[in-house]
Amino acid sequence: GQQLNQSPQSMFIQEGEDVSMNCTSSSIFNTWLWYKQDPGEGPVLLIALYKAGELTSNGRLTAQFGITRKDSFLNISASIPSDVGIYFCAGSFGNEKLTFGTGTRLTIIP
Amino acid sequence: NAGVMQNPRHLVRRRGQEARLRCSPMKGHSHVYWYRQLPEEGLKFMVYLQKENIIDESGMPKERFSAEFPKEGPSILRIQQVVRGDSAAYFCASSPSDREAFFGQGTRLTVV
Repeated sequence: GQQLNQSPQSMFIQEGEDVSMNCTSSSIFNTWLWYKQDPGEGPVLLIALYKAGELTSNGRLTAQFGITRKDSFLNISASIPSDVGIYFCAGSFGNEKLTFGTGTRLTIIP
Repeated sequence: NAGVMQNPRHLVRRRGQEARLRCSPMKGHSHVYWYRQLPEEGLKFMVYLQKENIIDESGMPKERFSAEFPKEGPSILRIQQVVRGDSAAYFCASSPSDREAFFGQGTRLTVV
């Protein structure tokens, strides 16, 4: 089955720094999604990507759908305390199930 | 347009009892996914359903677990004869098609 490798597993940064994380797949996708999960809550959709090469922003967040259709990255600029949480990538192809990455835990050091 | 509604939010069951988890998708959404999450871990796919059909149940244990998404009413994830290892957060997500999926708040199942 499809496998998604998400990196890094965790990040410790200072407030104001930029953040970058990525996902790679063993097979091609035609949809990439990025989610954020806070403790005790369900994942919240941040950005959806549907075309190879697509670059989409949502405020300070920017995500790109890789040209090979096997990868995607998420950037967060000028991090703030409420960015703390776990970020998940997810991908699918056609009518197949949505597969999730293992998550990147973001911590902001005071 | 209300979001994905899951209930109950918390469920406690004794070993051997049945757990029924409900998921009402967003209006107009015909696709439902169920995922399981252990503390400090990622989301593990269980089952993918479209109205009245199971599309992919490759992540669901063969025994004791079942899921349905009837023509009318919520999707139900049913766990029979629960064991301590079933304790986890169970999340449902709905989608209008094979595009973006929106999650509910989850049901936290504790088996005592």
